[in-house]
Amino acid sequence: QLQLQESGPGLVKPSETLSLTCTVSGGSISSSSYYWGWIRQPPGKGLEWIGSIYYSGSTYYNPSLKSRVTISVDTSKNQFSLNLSSVTAADTAVYYCARHRAAAPSDYWGQGTLVTVSS
Amino acid sequence: DIQMTQSPSSLSASVGDRVTITCRASQSISSYLNWYQQKPGKAPKLLIYAASSLQSGVPSRFSGSGSGTDFTLTISSLQPEDFATYYCQQSYSTLMYSFGQGTKLEIK
Repeated sequence: QLQLQESGPGLVKPSETLSLTCTVSGGSISSSSYYWGWIRQPPGKGLEWIGSIYYSGSTYYNPSLKSRVTISVDTSKNQFSLNLSSVTAADTAVYYCARHRAAAPSDYWGQGTLVTVSS
Repeated sequence: DIQMTQSPSSLSASVGDRVTITCRASQSISSYLNWYQQKPGKAPKLLIYAASSLQSGVPSRFSGSGSGTDFTLTISSLQPEDFATYYCQQSYSTLMYSFGQGTKLEIK
C-alpha cells in the first residue's frame, strides 16, 4: 500500500523559506507515469494546487506561486520536497503531498502538515 | 487559468435525501473533472474521476455526470457519514489542477 508522509517545521518566520519533504513508502517515486504534487489548504478555506514534479525532474507550478516555489525530487531517498520562499501569514496552511498521473486526479495523499507563518 | 465554481457553497440536508452539487469550469475541460470528499482534519478522498467514473471502494450512491463546462455530483440517498465538504477539481490544464471553492454538506 502506497503511503506518503509530509515532514518539516511547523513554524516559519515571515520572509523566510518554508521547506517540506514528502517521503514515499510502499512504492517507487521513479515509477513511470506518476507525478508527485503539493496542495495546500489555509485554515477554514479551500484547496490550492501548488505544483507537481515528475521523477525525471520536470516541474509544473501554479502561476500565482511560481516566482516563490521550487519542487525537487530525490529518487535515492524516495522523497520529493517543497520550498516556498518569502513567506507571509497568507502562506499559513495545511500542506499536503499527493500522487497523480497526467490529466488524472490525486489518488494517494499524505495526512497533511500544518505550517504556521509567524514571528 | 481555468476557474472552477461550485454551487451551492453550503447545503443542509437530511439522511435519506438526494443531493446534487454543481461545478462549472470557466472553459471546456472535456471530462477531466474529479470530485473529492473531505472530512475535518483529514486529507481529501477521491470519489469520482473523469467526470463519471467511481473510484474503487466508493459507495454506488455517489455518481457524477457532465462534460465540457458543467458537471454534477449526486448522492442518491444521504448517509450520516456523507456529511462533509466536497470539492471539484479539473485535471485538463497541463499540470495546473485547480479546485472549486468547496461545498459544505451539513445535517438539517
